Amino acid sequence: DIQMTQSPSSLSASVGDRVTITCRASQAIDIYLAWFQYKPGKAPKSLISAASTLQSGVPSRFSGSGSGTDFTLTISSLQPEDFATYYCQHYKNYPITFGQGTRLEIK
Amino acid sequence: EVQLVESGGGLVQPGGSLRLSCAASGFTSSDHYMDWVRLAPGKGPEWVGRTRDKPNRYSTEYAASVKGRFTISRDDSKNSVYLQMNSLKTEDTAMYYCARVSRSGAYFDYWGLGTLVTVSS
Repeated sequence: DIQMTQSPSSLSASVGDRVTITCRASQAIDIYLAWFQYKPGKAPKSLISAASTLQSGVPSRFSGSGSGTDFTLTISSLQPEDFATYYCQHYKNYPITFGQGTRLEIK
Repeated sequence: EVQLVESGGGLVQPGGSLRLSCAASGFTSSDHYMDWVRLAPGKGPEWVGRTRDKPNRYSTEYAASVKGRFTISRDDSKNSVYLQMNSLKTEDTAMYYCARVSRSGAYFDYWGLGTLVTVSS
């Protein structure tokens, strides 16, 4: 199975800050990498697919990059609604696996 | 508007069974691969399994942790997907989400709100 390792596991930041979350795959996954946002009590929200393609309706302050084994999710200017947990996920093959998550908290 | 609504969760004893439902609206579920993903407290998400679309005869894939115990099925007349869970274990306790797989790539584009399954004596 491909292991997905996210860092950091938690992050404190302020509104307006730029933040970057990293995700590393244990083997090359080309660009078969997605990011999604999770808030308790809400449906998870898909943000990015194919490592860097923004999903429809997702604000442009979100961006993704990377290929192979190393990927990043960047939020250019944090907004209050962005405080949540973020997960990366590969879909290169079965089983699909996820990172352990990055909890983004208000400083 | 695409919507996925899960139901059927609850408290069940170890060794018991439960069937979860995922009612789709705003699209034809038979046109999409549909997956189940679970999120246990303090853990990262875990992919549970997949049912492919109608052209692929609704064939399925499962995580090793549930293979032989869980079964994914569909009812096109109800535009719904199901997860039959047998021989439940305490480690199956989680929020279970239904997710739609995009037709333009094998990623999840929509998720439901989830339904909570608690396995405990």
